[in-house]
Amino acid sequence: DTAVSQTPKYLVTQMGNDKSIKCEQNLGHDTMYWYKQDSKKFLKIMFSYNNKELIINETVPNRFSPKSPDKAHLNLHINSLELGDSAVYFCASSQGTPDGYTFGSGTRLTVV
Amino acid sequence: GDSVTQMEGPVTLSEEAFLTINCTYTATGYPSLFWYVQYPGEGLQLLLKATKADDKGSNKGFEATYRKETTSFHLEKGSVQVSDSAVYFCALSLRSSNTGKLIFGQGTTLQVKP
Repeated sequence: DTAVSQTPKYLVTQMGNDKSIKCEQNLGHDTMYWYKQDSKKFLKIMFSYNNKELIINETVPNRFSPKSPDKAHLNLHINSLELGDSAVYFCASSQGTPDGYTFGSGTRLTVV
Repeated sequence: GDSVTQMEGPVTLSEEAFLTINCTYTATGYPSLFWYVQYPGEGLQLLLKATKADDKGSNKGFEATYRKETTSFHLEKGSVQVSDSAVYFCALSLRSSNTGKLIFGQGTTLQVKP
């Protein structure tokens, strides 16, 4: 039973399109995150929600909009996709600072 | 600001060689420190952690000791296997933060040859 699951695993789309990535966790964690991993493997936090409340919103274009309908779900919607949005997007969840995160397997987004 | 610096990769070793991946950090508070591993095509998995100075985290033969005096958390393994080939990330989280935000190093790719 997957702890943090993301869909889709791969997403290929054209510039200018709008797309969504979904994330669900069954660990009972209160906090969920979106991270972006670029082509050099560097990981940067984008957003975090704690029990449906936005608590981290890093410098991310406002074309990216997270939505958390409940504490087990955190979705990421991206408008007007650009070539530079191509990356692997990871969802993660956590129950507290000392425990670290549980990551999903990632969504590889390719914008052509 | 808070940051993590890892040694540049890739690191290429022969099977059964000794592994060290250096990690140093800069933090305004007292961080918890982590090593994550990412196998090809997969997400990150927590490998080990340490929450205070002089703590040693260990898992699957890997070890790292939280050194406050040198602000370091170097990853070591006595004898690597081909199956250890992966990208390794050092990370910190400030315990004073109520967000649990993890700050990652740039990752170090390890290639182990038979």
